[in-house]
Amino acid sequence: DSGVTQTPKHLITATGQRVTLRCSPRSGDLSVYWYQQSLDQGLQFLIQYYNGEERAKGNILERFSAQQFPDLHSELNLSSLELGDSALYFCASSVGGGTSGNTIYFGEGSWLTVV
Amino acid sequence: AQSVAQPEDQVNVAEGNPLTVKCTYSVSGNPYLFWYVQYPNRGLQFLLKYITGDNLVKGSYGFEAEFNKSQTSFHLKKPSALVSDSALYFCAVTVPTYSSASKIIFGSGTRLSIRP
Repeated sequence: DSGVTQTPKHLITATGQRVTLRCSPRSGDLSVYWYQQSLDQGLQFLIQYYNGEERAKGNILERFSAQQFPDLHSELNLSSLELGDSALYFCASSVGGGTSGNTIYFGEGSWLTVV
Repeated sequence: AQSVAQPEDQVNVAEGNPLTVKCTYSVSGNPYLFWYVQYPNRGLQFLLKYITGDNLVKGSYGFEAEFNKSQTSFHLKKPSALVSDSALYFCAVTVPTYSSASKIIFGSGTRLSIRP
């Protein structure tokens, strides 16, 4: 158990809908990362938050947004869903950011299926 | 821009034989390098990392990796493979920054299959 908690574990929704994925980082971790894993595109970095503020942005679509709250949990909002958004979404956390090579620890992921 | 490559989609090894999973990287500056393993329907588990110091890094489950700066490689190795090592392996790279931003980039993954 990495200590990173993600909910829900599985989600099935229709095209055009909006969903929210939730992540609780490990105790004491200030950074939260979101990744998307699909069969054809591997593991794609979406976005990083550090202590409530956005710090790094990857290949995140404009239909997607995220935030980190004062209690450090994070939510990834996916809207106007398309079939191609079906994927495994991972949250990860680390103590700090990029200055010291902190290990990032992954949750078990949220399986999103868009039908 | 930083990048990491895992040139083999799949590696097949007989149980008891040594295994190597290859990783090469491209960054500006000194890299931080990581290996993760993913078992079916699970999240990524941290195996080991190289930050600085000894080029040979030892990690979990008997794995080790060697940092080679001249060849920009960080290959994962194990002297004697187990069937239970069968999984998807990811190499990752980032560079130290003086901010809290940390854009860790993962390779495409290598599926390791150990046959009994």
